[in-house]
Amino acid sequence: GAGVSQTPSNKVTEKGKYVELRCDPISGHTALYWYRQSLGQGPEFLIYFQGTGAADDSGLPNDRFFAVRPEGSVSTLKIQRTERGDSAVYLCASSLMGPGTEAFFGQGTRLTVV
Amino acid sequence: QQQVKQSPQSLIVQKGGISIINCAYENTAFDYFPWYQQFPGKGPALLIAIRPDVSEKKEGRFTISFNKSAKQFSLHIMDSQPGDSATYFCAASSGNTGKLIFGQGTTLQVKP
Repeated sequence: GAGVSQTPSNKVTEKGKYVELRCDPISGHTALYWYRQSLGQGPEFLIYFQGTGAADDSGLPNDRFFAVRPEGSVSTLKIQRTERGDSAVYLCASSLMGPGTEAFFGQGTRLTVV
Repeated sequence: QQQVKQSPQSLIVQKGGISIINCAYENTAFDYFPWYQQFPGKGPALLIAIRPDVSEKKEGRFTISFNKSAKQFSLHIMDSQPGDSATYFCAASSGNTGKLIFGQGTTLQVKP
């Protein structure tokens, strides 16, 4: 596709359940980022991949959150034992070369934990 | 020290007017300052970006002014149009992670 694709666009889950959010970056982009955006706030950094490795995971709030990018393309954000406070829009972005280059964002996955 | 403070929180401008949004930062290691535009239900889209070696950058109706000594930068939207109504975020990043630190956002409404 032409842009960053995120699936699903909406996800409603029950408290305590496990969820996976998927990101398909722009083809050829080596850098991939996950952000979380709460209502009325700016996006908040979660994790940055350069290729297959997590170069910076300092934004992951706790050990319930985990992300992988096994082949250096598609990434999955995994949240265990979801809590109501995890409800937010999860945004994925990719960039061609990484730091200081334009990051293209997907439309996000709206996660609602009930 | 990682914060980027953005103001105002909301802004109403008449069509044809100038919209001005301001941001301030503390971390002198920041070396990339983009502005993003976000419409409801969409992801942020890059509008314009600047590096600290220049004081101003203009692209069409959008201009970034950068004051390194004051650690401030601003977005000016000239001849504002109703289609510019959106939420605008400033951001900053440094070093080799590219991790963007976003401001809190400004909701702009341009009245016809």
